Amino acid sequence: GAGVSQSPSNKVTEKGKDVELRCDPISGHTALYWYRQSLGQGLEFLIYFQGNSAPDKSGLPSDRFSAERTGGSVSTLTIQRTQQEDSAVYLCASSSGGQGNYGYTFGSGTRLTVV
Amino acid sequence: AQSVAQPEDQVNVAEGNPLTVKCTYSVSGNPYLFWYVQYPNRGLQFLLKYITGDNLVKGSYGFEAEFNKSQTSFHLKKPSALVSDSALYFCAVRPGSARQLTFGSGTQLTVLP
Repeated sequence: GAGVSQSPSNKVTEKGKDVELRCDPISGHTALYWYRQSLGQGLEFLIYFQGNSAPDKSGLPSDRFSAERTGGSVSTLTIQRTQQEDSAVYLCASSSGGQGNYGYTFGSGTRLTVV
Repeated sequence: AQSVAQPEDQVNVAEGNPLTVKCTYSVSGNPYLFWYVQYPNRGLQFLLKYITGDNLVKGSYGFEAEFNKSQTSFHLKKPSALVSDSALYFCAVRPGSARQLTFGSGTQLTVLP
């Protein structure tokens, strides 16, 4: 597609429920990143996919968080048993170079609110 | 581990005046440096990057940034600010050994008419 597409744009969920956030990167971009942006904070790295390599999961804050990328394209970030501190904007980005030297293209994000 | 500091949460400048948004970094080895801008309810947009070469980098919308190795800084500048430049600006760094960018906490720029 022309840009990075994320869905839903907004999600309100009850504490304890599971949520799935979707990212559709730019066609042909081999690298895909998930970041979290909390109010008043910078962007926190979560996970990185590059081609068929094993993902870098070093930024995932707990085992309630997981992500997959099917067919080297669409990615899903899953948060199980959501907590209020999970409330944030979840941003997905893709890039054509594995090293990110070309700059990332970000989606508009999913605003998650846990009530 | 790498880090990025944006010492100012908020920068206000009058339209037509020059603007500077500060960024300092800490990284081992040669840094790759980036600036992104975020408009309200939008994703981040790439502004410019420094990889190697000329220390003065020119980017989108008339912005530029100067890489200063001795001061470990990468300040964002524009000679004449526009009201439409008002947004949240993020500096980011990637050391040669890493794959992902580390972002600063952001600086809210407000250009006053």
